[in-house]
Amino acid sequence: EPEVTQTPSHQVTQMGQEVILRCVPISNHLYFYWYRQILGQKVEFLVSFYNNEISEKSEIFDDQFSVERPDGSNFTLKIRSTKLEDSAMYFCASSVGQGEVEETQYFGPGTRLLVL
Amino acid sequence: GDSVTQMEGPVTLSEEAFLTINCTYTATGYPSLFWYVQYPGEGLQLLLKATKADDKGSNKGFEATYRKETTSFHLEKGSVQVSDSAVYFCALSESGGYNKLIFGAGTRLAVHP
Repeated sequence: EPEVTQTPSHQVTQMGQEVILRCVPISNHLYFYWYRQILGQKVEFLVSFYNNEISEKSEIFDDQFSVERPDGSNFTLKIRSTKLEDSAMYFCASSVGQGEVEETQYFGPGTRLLVL
Repeated sequence: GDSVTQMEGPVTLSEEAFLTINCTYTATGYPSLFWYVQYPGEGLQLLLKATKADDKGSNKGFEATYRKETTSFHLEKGSVQVSDSAVYFCALSESGGYNKLIFGAGTRLAVHP
């Protein structure tokens, strides 16, 4: 069964460093998302991406964050200058599109980011 | 804005007990409703969904009915197993737009033999 994959599974970085989190969505999906989950807290929406542009972003997604689909398969989240409070599990998700069946989002296993 | 409220955990049950995890929502439109499950050390898996009022989603013995009149989507299972121990998230997807998911805080379920 097709699945969303994410790399790396764990990332440790120093405060102020740039990190890139990578995702490979399900191949026929058109909508892509990033969410994060700070330890013990709820899952929060960061950004959605469709047709090579951001379609919606949350207030968390400030100028330090960017997303890109550099080729036909990868979807990346970049944090330019990491802060301690960026430590979280980051989930990528994808969906076929909109509609009763197509809207279901499938999640990857996550990347646990630790900023020291 | 739209929001989801779940009962606080942890919920601790004996095997074969009946499970209810309450979920209520606030939404301006007609959202789709979801339950996701997160097993220890893993990502989020879709458990079930319902897209309109009175729809019942079901999977693996779990059920939830979309109740527009009470804005609820409570998760139930008649007989839980130890393997059901996980964190359960209720979520909604706003009607229209690009369908971002809004999650509840999650409810941790622990089932012991």
